[in-house]
Amino acid sequence: DTEVTQTPKHLVMGMTNKKSLKCEQHMGHRAMYWYKQKAKKPPELMFVYSYEKLSINESVPSRFSPECPNSSLLNLHLHALQPEDSALYLCASSQVSSGRNEQFFGPGTRLTVL
Amino acid sequence: GESVGLHLPTLSVQEGDNSIINCAYSNSASDYFIWYKQESGKGPQFIIDIRSNMDKRQGQRVTVLLNKTVKHLSLQIAATQPGDSAVYFCAENSPRSGANNLFFGTGTRLTVIP
Repeated sequence: DTEVTQTPKHLVMGMTNKKSLKCEQHMGHRAMYWYKQKAKKPPELMFVYSYEKLSINESVPSRFSPECPNSSLLNLHLHALQPEDSALYLCASSQVSSGRNEQFFGPGTRLTVL
Repeated sequence: GESVGLHLPTLSVQEGDNSIINCAYSNSASDYFIWYKQESGKGPQFIIDIRSNMDKRQGQRVTVLLNKTVKHLSLQIAATQPGDSAVYFCAENSPRSGANNLFFGTGTRLTVIP
């Protein structure tokens, strides 16, 4: 299985809602990532988990809360988002190594905040 | 700081011609580079990678060239096909904290004219 899956594909939420994005992989990868991608822009790194521990938080606002319950799952909890948070949220996974680090991406969740 | 940029934001080529997409990077410590293809509504898809101890790597119809002297990376696509139409990103690997970051360039939109 060389696939990263993400649910839901689309999500519309109000600024007072709480929702969660989910990501799953079964490639045995111990590094998992959340990226945010605005239209016509490159993906921007948000969080990195290495061996289920948060290793990098790229100064992301606290209304985004990541969680890695086990080595196959990665969640992103959303609360009190702003309309400017509307974007494609991508999950990726890779081996943890100091060398080659091909990241496998999921299809993303298209988030719209009203 | 680290930056990865592309020389051309858009590129149009005739079907059957060769395509060349260029990328400049600024972090001389980066040791691994990846080219990704992103089609509309999808996550980035791995095309080819290269480590800094190499200057050329070939795949099926694709070749990546790395010039560390001028910090330049290029992706060559042979006999470009309509299915190659997409946005292409170069990404630079910066090892940190036991897991590796990918910093993406701006992206080039490739349009193949039938």
